[in-house]
Amino acid sequence: QQQVKQSPQSLIVQKGGISIINCAYENTAFDYFPWYQQFPGKGPALLIAIRPDVSEKKEGRFTISFNKSAKQFSLHIMDSQPGDSATYFCAASKRTDYKLSFGAGTTVTVRA
Amino acid sequence: DVKVTQSSRYLVKRTGEKVFLECVQDMDHENMFWYRQDPGLGLRLIYFSYDVKMKEKGDIPEGYSVSREKKERFSLILESASTNQTSMYLCASRSKNEQYFGPGTRLTVT
Repeated sequence: QQQVKQSPQSLIVQKGGISIINCAYENTAFDYFPWYQQFPGKGPALLIAIRPDVSEKKEGRFTISFNKSAKQFSLHIMDSQPGDSATYFCAASKRTDYKLSFGAGTTVTVRA
Repeated sequence: DVKVTQSSRYLVKRTGEKVFLECVQDMDHENMFWYRQDPGLGLRLIYFSYDVKMKEKGDIPEGYSVSREKKERFSLILESASTNQTSMYLCASRSKNEQYFGPGTRLTVT
């Protein structure tokens, strides 16, 4: 079964709006939470990652919010641009582990 | 820049054929991975290798095998391709928690 549940499956946002993608996990041993971005015809690439000792991490227009007690984390894309149109995957792992458990992915479409 | 290359972007094979998917990375990474990507299911790990000649099953290894004879090369083998193996296959290598993905091979089994 999927260890990381991601929602929504897809979303459409107007240029300048905020895109929000949510993920939930069950394994309390997870301590590394990355987000990957995938453009059509390309492999996923690391966008931003967070560890559970902080509740928020911001890089430019992308912010991860982390709620350890609820076992949830989310990606916020502020001032969404057409170039942000892509599929976004959340993931989780133990830092000592080689493997990542991925969510099902969210396709974000930003309309100009 | 890390580069992960996959031998084919598109592949069409017949049911029962033996299929080889090749992946090469140029950054001397020890860990390499094979995933399949299907709509609504995300990326599912098939096999990974933490060093040359070392491999471990991922979440969906049935119907697949792998080979890693050299550090830079990791091959995925479909011993007898079936239609339910039609998918996008992604290879990755890993360094310091970050995984670097190739562009993927879209395999169609007819």
